[in-house]
Amino acid sequence: DIQMTQSPSSLSASVGDRVTITCRASQGITNFLAWYQQKPGTGPKVLIYAASTLQAGVPSRFSGSGSGTDFTLTISSLQPEDVATYYCQKYDSAPYTFGQGTKLEIK
Amino acid sequence: QVTLRESGPALVKPTQTLTLTCTFSGFSLSASGMCVSWIRQSPGKALEWLARIDWDDDKYYSTSLKTRLSISKDTSKNQVVLTMTNMDPVDTATYFCARSIVYCDSGVCGWLDSWGQGTLVTVSS
Repeated sequence: DIQMTQSPSSLSASVGDRVTITCRASQGITNFLAWYQQKPGTGPKVLIYAASTLQAGVPSRFSGSGSGTDFTLTISSLQPEDVATYYCQKYDSAPYTFGQGTKLEIK
Repeated sequence: QVTLRESGPALVKPTQTLTLTCTFSGFSLSASGMCVSWIRQSPGKALEWLARIDWDDDKYYSTSLKTRLSISKDTSKNQVVLTMTNMDPVDTATYFCARSIVYCDSGVCGWLDSWGQGTLVTVSS
């Protein structure tokens, strides 16, 4: 099975900072990669799909890039409401594995 | 508007079989490309994908759990059922169902676009 490795596992940044989270697949998955945001007590919400396509309604400060094995989620200017845990997921073929998550906090 | 809601027992005993139901609206699981997955999250841990069933009744399972899982659908009731056998305390988790669509213009489709709120299942004697 393909493994998905996220880094860092946790991150503390200041409001207005540029934040980058990375996700690495153990084998190539072209661009079948999604990013989700999960706030405490709620189900995840998709932010980015196809590695770089912004889901409708998601603020433009979120962006995704990458292809093959290396992917990045970027928040261009961190806002207080972005406090959450972020997950990547491969969806090219089963099993549809998630990364281990990145917990983002405000400094 | 797509909605999904998970239901099932809040407490099960070790060795018992868990049966969870996902009831959805806003789409039909008989429509080409529609899929429903189950995902779980142990307290304080990461998301873990468990299983998926497709409109054409294709089924996919987590490699590590496939001997214990079974997924089925009742299209007339808009429901997907997940069973997990031989429950253990380590299976204590919030269980989510979510929809995906595997046909789209770009061809790069299959992400989980709508999620339920989840249901907490505790395994304890």
